[in-house]
Amino acid sequence: KNEVEQSPQNLTAQEGEFITINCSYSVGISALHWLQQHPGGGIVSLFMLSSGKKKHGRLIATINIQEKHSSLHITASHPRDSAVYICAVSPPGADGLTFGKGTHLIIQP
Amino acid sequence: DAGITQSPRHKVTETGTPVTLRCHQTENHRYMYWYRQDPGHGLRLIHYSYGVKDTDKGEVSDGYSVSRSKTEDFLLTLESATSSQTSVYFCAISLRDRGLSEQYFGPGTRLTVT
Repeated sequence: KNEVEQSPQNLTAQEGEFITINCSYSVGISALHWLQQHPGGGIVSLFMLSSGKKKHGRLIATINIQEKHSSLHITASHPRDSAVYICAVSPPGADGLTFGKGTHLIIQP
Repeated sequence: DAGITQSPRHKVTETGTPVTLRCHQTENHRYMYWYRQDPGHGLRLIHYSYGVKDTDKGEVSDGYSVSRSKTEDFLLTLESATSSQTSVYFCAISLRDRGLSEQYFGPGTRLTVT
């Protein structure tokens, strides 16, 4: 079974800071997903990646397949970035995703 | 908005009663999933479907059944609800299987079993 560990569990930062959230997994994967969940529940897909790096606006996601590790970076953080960020992986040959427990991010003005 | 709705959005029911949650999509995606989200556990896969009448079990399928008689609808049934099934239930859809495309999530159903 693939274990997905995220760190930190909770993170409070000031507006404008550079944010890094980490995700490690235990076995090989087909792809890794980063999701965002705001208070009130809605879950939005941010990135799906299987190698390298992707960028969307102020968000950057990287993955190192050999080290079984991914990072999500937020540049110039803003209070609207406050949310739970969830890492999920898809093991080869399996359907559905295996999720980390999430990182609760608070950006203070 | 990926055209996914869930009903009901909130439900309170008593232990031992049957409950059916509905997920409806307008995207005609083949793959559909039911997850539950609990504090301390994160999201976990209950059941998934890869087409009409084609379903399979996920990590936490005990006590749940599913049906998919039309592409657009995926039903999750708790035959006899228990307090341990109090949770928030999310439906998701994807274009491809094996997690090789983004998953789009419904708004969730908050179920309380008393």
